[in-house]
Amino acid sequence: NAGVTQTPKFQVLKTGQSMTLQCAQDMNHEYMSWYRQDPGMGLRLIHYSVGAGITDQGEVPNGYNVSRSTTEDFPLRLLSAAPSQTSVYFCASSYSGGGGQFFGPGTRLTVL
Amino acid sequence: SQKIEQNSEALNIQEGKTATLTCNYTNYSPAYLQWYRQDPGRGPVFLLLIRENEKEKRKERLKVTFDTTLKQSLFHITASQPADSATYLCALRGPSNTGKLIFGQGTTLQVKP
Repeated sequence: NAGVTQTPKFQVLKTGQSMTLQCAQDMNHEYMSWYRQDPGMGLRLIHYSVGAGITDQGEVPNGYNVSRSTTEDFPLRLLSAAPSQTSVYFCASSYSGGGGQFFGPGTRLTVL
Repeated sequence: SQKIEQNSEALNIQEGKTATLTCNYTNYSPAYLQWYRQDPGRGPVFLLLIRENEKEKRKERLKVTFDTTLKQSLFHITASQPADSATYLCALRGPSNTGKLIFGQGTTLQVKP
């Protein structure tokens, strides 16, 4: 199993550009989440999903969209990138709502 | 608002000693508390989970306690090794089964040989 994969690993954007961060898992997990990690702030939840077709907002959803058309994929879209979105983004999945989460390797995003 | 606090200062200990990390929370009633390890440049790795009705959980050299009265969890690594050096994150999940976690900012542990 590849586990949780994320692409790209690194990305530089200009203010106002849009892009999609890809996340996929091959463990047949129902629960998937997107976090951002900033120095001194810990991991903050952006959006999460409890199954295909079901998504909800986390702590910091503004400026981001998600969709979950399949169990495997959970892409995160930045609509109009801003410097405040410079961060490391992690995708995670879990088999159950209470179980430990498996994290991807992260995407380091810089917005100029 | 809900708040989770972990020691922001790095914890430095000597190899072979027991490391104890603290996670305190306020304005929250978690159903589960989880601990993760994160190495530089990598995603967090799940270590242990403890439920609200459990006082203690062990896994090899790791031990977690959960005191819902004090609103505190302690994470112990016994016989610590330099390979245990990493940042350790605690995370709380509420009563709803959504997989929605709130993370602390993490404590960095440095084990010196």
